Amino acid sequence: DADVTQTPRNRITKTGKRIMLECSQTKGHDRMYWYRQDPGLGLRLIYYSFDVKDINKGEISDGYSVSRQAQAKFSLSLESAIPNQTALYFCATSETGLAGLDNEQFFGPGTRLTVL
Amino acid sequence: QKEVEQDPGPLSVPEGAIVSLNCTYSNSAFQYFMWYRQYSRKGPELLMYTYSSGNKEDGRFTAQVDKSSKYISLFIRDSQPSDSATYLCAMRGDYKLSFGAGTTVTVRA
Repeated sequence: DADVTQTPRNRITKTGKRIMLECSQTKGHDRMYWYRQDPGLGLRLIYYSFDVKDINKGEISDGYSVSRQAQAKFSLSLESAIPNQTALYFCATSETGLAGLDNEQFFGPGTRLTVL
Repeated sequence: QKEVEQDPGPLSVPEGAIVSLNCTYSNSAFQYFMWYRQYSRKGPELLMYTYSSGNKEDGRFTAQVDKSSKYISLFIRDSQPSDSATYLCAMRGDYKLSFGAGTTVTVRA
């Protein structure tokens, strides 16, 4: 089945460490997204990419960076992790539809990150 | 003020009850309205998708959008234990989805 996968699924790290979360998809979609989910705050967009050469900041990009290595791969980095980056992180993909708007977003299983 | 407001619950109902979920929003540019379902330890998956105002029915699920009131609803009829999940509303005006906080629903057998 075409899918969205994320690695690692769980990660515990210490303040100041550099962390990379990886996302791969076999759906052939052009658009990829990184979200974080916090209790009571829902899903918030960190970064998004409409193709390999297109990277855009979302609403909470400070402290994060991304790399779109290929159409199928989109990684999220925390250069110097801090405790308030403890959250559930989701990667999502979508396909560009009519009028340039995307259709349904398909989410990966999530990465639970804890920063001590 | 958040763009999308959703009561996080939790909501607990007996099997067979009607579940009523809703969201309000402030951005009048939103045109596309969605409900995602998220099971524990899983990513969200699209449940219902509605464009502009009106009702949409899919099996036991009904989505309603009232753009004049900036209010959307999801109803689940004859609820089942398998409906126990977190339900997130989402809406889009341009290229970005804005999500509600999610309502956690438990259907008791």
